[in-house]
Amino acid sequence: DAGVTQSPTHLIKTRGQHVTLRCSPISGHKSVSWYQQVLGQGPQFIFQYYEKEERGRGNFPDRFSARQFPNYSSELNVNALLLGDSALYLCASSLWTGTNQPQHFGDGTRLSIL
Amino acid sequence: TQLLEQSPQFLSIQEGENLTVYCNSSSVFSSLQWYRQEPGEGPVLLVTVVTGGEVKKLKRLTFQFGDARKDSSLHITAAQPGDTGLYLCAGVTGGTSYGKLTFGQGTILTVHP
Repeated sequence: DAGVTQSPTHLIKTRGQHVTLRCSPISGHKSVSWYQQVLGQGPQFIFQYYEKEERGRGNFPDRFSARQFPNYSSELNVNALLLGDSALYLCASSLWTGTNQPQHFGDGTRLSIL
Repeated sequence: TQLLEQSPQFLSIQEGENLTVYCNSSSVFSSLQWYRQEPGEGPVLLVTVVTGGEVKKLKRLTFQFGDARKDSSLHITAAQPGDTGLYLCAGVTGGTSYGKLTFGQGTILTVHP
């Protein structure tokens, strides 16, 4: 079975632009979470979605938004990009939500802001 | 704000040596997970510890969850070059409808042949 797939793998944008990152969960997984990993740090929680509804949000500005589609894939949107948004964006999927569900991570999208 | 402090941040050792990585917090977590991440890849789950005082072994890796469920340690015996990577601890919070991981900043381990 395919794991969590993310696209694109790399992306270069300039300040002020917007970006859309995509994630396809493992088949059968209904929950998707997004994390931001800045170089040299651990991942930081951005959002969790389950059954197309937002179930949790981390401490990120409103420039960050996400949605989940009926097929459980997800998009992360970031508007008005800043230099500090340069990071690896990770998507993780799990069967359903809740603390007992192991999360499986994709290999991420490396976003560079010039 | 829940924080997880990992130490050390960097560890460079020779093949065959033993090492311990620590993960500490002032917060209580439902469970704690350890991940290993290689360059260009996402984190891969190694183990989940749930009960205070729990010890789990995965070949040469031993994981322990503190009695108060606020801290954890990872011990590697006879490290090998293949153990090289970024080790991350993550505290799990939430409930039945929501699960969030709070990661430590990671420990970069380099094992020299």
